[in-house]
Amino acid sequence: NAGVMQNPRHLVRRRGQEARLRCSPMKGHSHVYWYRQLPEEGLKFMVYLQKENIIDESGMPKERFSAEFPKEGPSILRIQQVVRGDSAAYFCASSPPSQGGEKLFFGSGTQLSVL
Amino acid sequence: QQQVKQSPQSLIVQKGGISIINCAYENTAFDYFPWYQQFPGKGPALLIAIRPDVSEKKEGRFTISFNKSAKQFSLHIMDSQPGDSATYFCAASTGYQKVTFGTGTKLQVIP
Repeated sequence: NAGVMQNPRHLVRRRGQEARLRCSPMKGHSHVYWYRQLPEEGLKFMVYLQKENIIDESGMPKERFSAEFPKEGPSILRIQQVVRGDSAAYFCASSPPSQGGEKLFFGSGTQLSVL
Repeated sequence: QQQVKQSPQSLIVQKGGISIINCAYENTAFDYFPWYQQFPGKGPALLIAIRPDVSEKKEGRFTISFNKSAKQFSLHIMDSQPGDSATYFCAASTGYQKVTFGTGTKLQVIP
């Protein structure tokens, strides 16, 4: 059973470009969470999604950031018009329907660098 | 009220010693308290977790102590080994809700 797959592992963008981060949850998992990690800081919650639904987006910046988890395919975190402050590691986690947020399985992250 | 405060930020322990990391929370609705371990370049992985109806949980060399009245919990790593060197995050959640993480403790175990 493959783990949570995130791609790309590293993404370099210039200021003003768009960044698309992908996350394929573990098989059978219907809950997806996105977190952002800055150097020397903890994991900051961004958004919690279930298939075709955003459950909690209280951690998402109001502008430029969006997330989706379609019926088919991976979850996508989209950052429009990136700025240098968006440089961070972005982690996706998934959990099975029976456990909600109680047991998160994390991917290896996408390191976003904005030049 | 959603914060989880973690200390220390970094910790150096001799091999064979005890590593202790502390966390405190404010939201009394939290009912699940996991600890995650993260190695460089990897995502965090669940290490051990506790619910507030017990005061202690032990798995191998790892023990969580929980003080509900003080709203504090801690991770103890007995007989610390160099392979335990990693960043440790405490966390808290309520049912099918987001998991709130502490700021992390970078542990270094020296031979």
